[in-house]
Amino acid sequence: DAGVIQSPRHEVTEMGQEVTLRCKPISGHDYLFWYRQTMMRGLELLIYFNNNVPIDDSGMPEDRFSAKMPNASFSTLKIQPSEPRDSAVYFCASSAPAPETQYFGPGTRLLVL
Amino acid sequence: AQRVTQPEKLLSVFKGAPVELKCNYSYSGSPELFWYVQYSRQRLQLLLRHISRESIKGFTADLNKGETSFHLKKPFAQEEDSAMYYCAHVQDGSARQLTFGSGTQLTVLP
Repeated sequence: DAGVIQSPRHEVTEMGQEVTLRCKPISGHDYLFWYRQTMMRGLELLIYFNNNVPIDDSGMPEDRFSAKMPNASFSTLKIQPSEPRDSAVYFCASSAPAPETQYFGPGTRLLVL
Repeated sequence: AQRVTQPEKLLSVFKGAPVELKCNYSYSGSPELFWYVQYSRQRLQLLLRHISRESIKGFTADLNKGETSFHLKKPFAQEEDSAMYYCAHVQDGSARQLTFGSGTQLTVLP
């Protein structure tokens, strides 16, 4: 099993552009989490899904951020328009019915110029 | 709000010395606490959880309800222990999502 897969691994874009981050959870896992990691704020939960349904998006910073999970094997996190303060590492994680054991992807390092 | 606090952003110890990474929680019920670790260029992974009372890679963590702490300890640090360590707990309710502390960067010096 390759574990949680994220793409791209690195993304550099200009302010105002749309950014889409992708995640493939571990097969059979029914929870999917999106986190953002910055030096200032550490690791923050943005949103999570259970059985493809968004459960809690209270961590999404603002309307520029949106996340979808069209099926059990794919999720996207979109930022439109992107801003320099969105620069961070974005992690996706998935878990099975014992959701406290989360398996993390390698992260996407986003730089918005 | 429930939270976990890691008071040290950076911690350096010499190889062979004991190490303790501090974690305090604010929660009135029975907390479920974990330690996650992120080695350089690797993904974040579970190190241990308090309910299993296990020792992983020589690390242990005991839940102290009186002090509301869940400190991570190792008697003899190794250079390969250098990493970012996050304390985390499970939120209330059926959601069970994790809330992470701010993390402690441990550096073990040769």
